[in-house]
Amino acid sequence: GAGVSQSPRYKVAKRGQDVALRCDPISGHVSLFWYQQALGQGPEFLTYFQNEAQLDKSGLPSDRFFAERPEGSVSTLKIQRTQQEDSAVYLCASSSGQGTDTQYFGPGTRLTVL
Amino acid sequence: AQKVTQAQTEISVVEKEDVTLDCVYETRDTTYYLFWYKQPPSGELVFLIRRNSFDEQNEISGRYSWNFQKSTSSFNFTITASQVVDSAVYFCARSEANDGGSQGNLIFGKGTKLSVKP
Repeated sequence: GAGVSQSPRYKVAKRGQDVALRCDPISGHVSLFWYQQALGQGPEFLTYFQNEAQLDKSGLPSDRFFAERPEGSVSTLKIQRTQQEDSAVYLCASSSGQGTDTQYFGPGTRLTVL
Repeated sequence: AQKVTQAQTEISVVEKEDVTLDCVYETRDTTYYLFWYKQPPSGELVFLIRRNSFDEQNEISGRYSWNFQKSTSSFNFTITASQVVDSAVYFCARSEANDGGSQGNLIFGKGTKLSVKP
């Protein structure tokens, strides 16, 4: 497709379960970002990849959060032992070159932890 | 933390009114980028504009216009003759050209919810 895609669009998990969220960036885009958006708030940065290299993971809230982009294209955000406070929309964005280029966002994955 | 502030939480207007959404940012950097995104009820963030900190010219795109005032660290967004389809949450954001420009994670404001009534 032409835009950023994310799957699943909705995910319900029981507390303690592991989840994996997928992001397909725009083809050829070098930079990839993950953001977390709580209800009624603006998105907050989680982590950044340039190709397959994770250059910044300073926004990951705990060591239960892990992201990868092994071939420099598709990325997966994994959350282990989910907690209720992890409930949020997880947004993926990509940009064509440097990170300061315009970021195009996917539709997000709404995670609900019961 | 260097914040982006959108003081207006919610704005309600009647169709065809003009409306201005305010954005004030903090930064210690000389080089940075400013953005506006629209988030309709469907949830996807739609890119509207990107502005380099060195370019203070105002910009107009159809019914949209942006006023960048570096002296007051503001980047306001005006919609002229608003329409019902403009109803959405609008986010202002700032990125930084760190490490020679290789990264630019966005720092978002909390958003302004605009409701345009017919």
